[in-house]
Amino acid sequence: KNQVEQSPQSLIILEGKNCTLQCNYTVSPFSNLRWYKQDTGRGPVSLTIMTFSENTKSNGRYTATLDADTKQSSLHITASQLSDSASYICVVSAGGSYIPTFGRGTSLIVHP
Amino acid sequence: GAGVSQSPSNKVTEKGKDVELRCDPISGHTALYWYRQSLGQGLEFLIYFQGNSAPDKSGLPSDRFSAERTGGSVSTLTIQRTQQEDSAVYLCASSFTGENSPLHFGNGTRLTVT
Repeated sequence: KNQVEQSPQSLIILEGKNCTLQCNYTVSPFSNLRWYKQDTGRGPVSLTIMTFSENTKSNGRYTATLDADTKQSSLHITASQLSDSASYICVVSAGGSYIPTFGRGTSLIVHP
Repeated sequence: GAGVSQSPSNKVTEKGKDVELRCDPISGHTALYWYRQSLGQGLEFLIYFQGNSAPDKSGLPSDRFSAERTGGSVSTLTIQRTQQEDSAVYLCASSFTGENSPLHFGNGTRLTVT
C-alpha cells in the first residue's frame, strides 16, 4: 500500500530561524514528489516538484531535497517569516496513477 | 487568471438533509478531484474525473456520496442524508493531464452537519 509519512506532526519556531520538515514514502513505482503549503482556511498550493533524477530544488527560501534510494524528502525553510505559518504537505505520485498519495502534513507555527 | 472556485464557502445543514457542493475548475484543466479534510487530518481522496472517461469513485466513503461533472467543466458533489461525521472541509482541485501537473485547489466548502 502506498503511504506517505511526515514528521514532525507540528513545529513551533521563532521568526528568523531555520527549520527542516521530513517526508518518508513507500510509493511505487515512484514518479514525483511535491511539497504543498496550506494556509489556514485555504486550499494547498504547490511549492516545488521533485522527480527521480533531482536531488535538490529551491524556491526562494524553500529548499527541497530528495533521496530516491532511501525514499526520503525534506523541506528546508530558511530565515522563517510569520507568513510561513501553515501546514506543509508532502504528496507523492506513482507512475501510471493520476491519484497522488498525501501525507498528513506538518503544522508549522512561526512566532515573532 | 481565475483559480478554482468553490461554492458555497460555508454550509450548515441539519442531519438527514441533502447538500450539493459546487466546483468550477480552471478553464482547460481536464482533470478534477474532490478531497475531504477533517479537522486536523490529512486530505482524503474521494473521486477523480478525467475528460470524458468514467470517474474513479474508489474514495467515496458510502453510497450517500455522489459526484458528477457536466460538460467536462463544472462538478457537483452531492451528499444525501447527511450525518454528523460528514462535517469537514471539502476541497476541489483541477489540473492538466499528466503525472507532473500540479493540482490547483479551491479554498474549499466547510460543511457542518448539526
